Amino acid sequence: AQSVTQLGSHVSVSEGALVLLRCNYSSSVPPYLFWYVQYPNQGLQLLLKYTSAATLVKGINGFEAEFKKSETSFHLTKPSAHMSDAAEYFCAVSAYSGGYQKVTFGTGTKLQVIP
Amino acid sequence: DAGVTQSPTHLIKTRGQQVTLRCSPKSGHDTVSWYQQALGQGPQFIFQYYEEEERQRGNFPDRFSGHQFPNYSSELNVNALLLGDSALYLCASSTNTGVGAQHFGDGTRLSIL
Repeated sequence: AQSVTQLGSHVSVSEGALVLLRCNYSSSVPPYLFWYVQYPNQGLQLLLKYTSAATLVKGINGFEAEFKKSETSFHLTKPSAHMSDAAEYFCAVSAYSGGYQKVTFGTGTKLQVIP
Repeated sequence: DAGVTQSPTHLIKTRGQQVTLRCSPKSGHDTVSWYQQALGQGPQFIFQYYEEEERQRGNFPDRFSGHQFPNYSSELNVNALLLGDSALYLCASSTNTGVGAQHFGDGTRLSIL
């Protein structure tokens, strides 16, 4: 069984401030982890992925995430928020189950950027 | 290189009707997954198709069915529509040998009256 918990359904930051979106996962096998972003009326766009290589993963738009096995966390960060970062962010875990990759999404965190 | 395309973009139906949603995967992808995203929620996995067969299924009733064609495109069918079926339906494609990263379409917004 696997699951994802995103702490905070809404996060507000000032433009230029640090963005920190939290994600904790549960998986009985080594997982792959992903962050996706969703803008209004659009599908999900992959920001970055962890696939058991480097624990610090860099993605698009200046985002990065660090895989911490001991804390079962995969928090998303960006040093300086931009107005265009306002969107909903989803963390997802993928692991082999029954011979296939099974993907489970978190409930999402809506990021508001205040000018 | 076209990404994942879904049609139609919006659809309005009434309770009890049937609906078919369509999806064309990203070029080079052979696996298609369907998700339901209710307002304010994360995507919920409906099922996945590979080699024209359903190989994984989430916790959805049999009213939800699908199909994959030889060109890897896919359809999602929902029968006997309920008000609770109102949602954004997302199609995602990937490669069978990939690590789970999926490419998503912009979805079909289904409204049930």
